[in-house]
Amino acid sequence: AQKVTQAQTEISVVEKEDVTLDCVYETRDTTYYLFWYKQPPSGELVFLIRRNSFDEQNEISGRYSWNFQKSTSSFNFTITASQVVDSAVYFCALAANAGGTSYGKLTFGQGTILTVHP
Amino acid sequence: DGGITQSPKYLFRKEGQNVTLSCEQNLNHDAMYWYRQDPGQGLRLIYYSQIVNDFQKGDIAEGYSVSREKKESFPLTVTSAQKNPTAFYLCASSGGSGGIGEQYFGPGTRLTVT
Repeated sequence: AQKVTQAQTEISVVEKEDVTLDCVYETRDTTYYLFWYKQPPSGELVFLIRRNSFDEQNEISGRYSWNFQKSTSSFNFTITASQVVDSAVYFCALAANAGGTSYGKLTFGQGTILTVHP
Repeated sequence: DGGITQSPKYLFRKEGQNVTLSCEQNLNHDAMYWYRQDPGQGLRLIYYSQIVNDFQKGDIAEGYSVSREKKESFPLTVTSAQKNPTAFYLCASSGGSGGIGEQYFGPGTRLTVT
């Protein structure tokens, strides 16, 4: 069974603060993929990043960065210098390698509601 | 523009009625998915389809049915057997990209059953 835990239900920060969203996962598969999605108030999920289990390099994209650590089964997401437009629900998700196919079932965490105040 | 469309955005039904939610994609993706989201919760998989004329149950398929007659379309029917149908429904699609590819989501349909 796979599981994703986002322990932070809600986070509130003031604009320009840095904020880290935690994600801890569980899987017995050695090959798996991790994702982060953003859900703004409109409701549509926006894909942010995909990372496979063999690539532990951290990634930076503008103000966004991700820290993947297999030793602690964590895939944390940091927003630097947060902005009001970053306010949204953020989901971490996990998919295991389903027999080598490209179509994996995603297991989502409960989501973290981020509110950035001006 | 390439993307996924879901219609309608809001849907109201009386208890006991079946209702069909539309999902269309023009991304040429093979796989399509239906998720349900309840307030304060993550997404849960209802059904998914990897190829035309084939689909599999997800984690919460009871009370739902789907069809996949065309690559572009994956409609979801919420039947009267679904005990708690009021929720936000999201459709997604993904294409093969070497390993498990990311899923792209539609804008969702908010269903209210009274």
